Amino acid sequence: GQNIDQPTEMTATEGAIVQINCTYQTSGFNGLFWYQQHAGEAPTFLSYNVLDGLEEKGRFSSFLSRSKGYSYLLLKELQMKDSASYLCAVMDSNYQLIWGAGTKLIIKP
Amino acid sequence: IAGITQAPTSQILAAGRRMTLRCTQDMRHNAMYWYRQDLGLGLRLIHYSNTAGTTGKGEVPDGYSVSRANTDDFPLTLASAVPSQTSVYFCASTKTSGDNTGELFFGEGSRLTVL
Repeated sequence: GQNIDQPTEMTATEGAIVQINCTYQTSGFNGLFWYQQHAGEAPTFLSYNVLDGLEEKGRFSSFLSRSKGYSYLLLKELQMKDSASYLCAVMDSNYQLIWGAGTKLIIKP
Repeated sequence: IAGITQAPTSQILAAGRRMTLRCTQDMRHNAMYWYRQDLGLGLRLIHYSNTAGTTGKGEVPDGYSVSRANTDDFPLTLASAVPSQTSVYFCASTKTSGDNTGELFFGEGSRLTVL
């Protein structure tokens, strides 16, 4: 079966750095997405990786290793507004998105 | 309208009743999707539409139906609601199906409680 694994919850301190990991086993691979979802709101797009390596976008970076079935989202200089759930999703060979359950990130002052 | 709009935002429904969740987008996106989101689970695809006039079943289609009469609208109908359909429902769209470089745009969600 297809599976996306990410930690259920993480806690970090304002101003620090946090890394949220995602491992996947899917039927084929056509890209990996990270979305941010604040409580009670819709998910919003953060990043997309299809090739191995690091993609940097401001305070957020996303890394992919296709051979390891592994990605991480790195958040730097954490702010209170970064408190949210972070969803990892993989597009399979049928171009369907398979979603992880999300990682709830709690930022403490 | 800007983006993708869902209605209602919240609804309490008696079991056995029929309910339609509405979804409208003004981005001229071809592909539209309905997901449900439950605590501890990832978003699960209910139904999708790659273009107007076509629909397909997702991972959890039972008890739901959709139609896509035009590009903008993609309503989701629960013919006879059951308590297990209590969930948050998200409508989403993207420019084209299989667009693996494009992002999904989500509506604000419809919180449905079936008693």
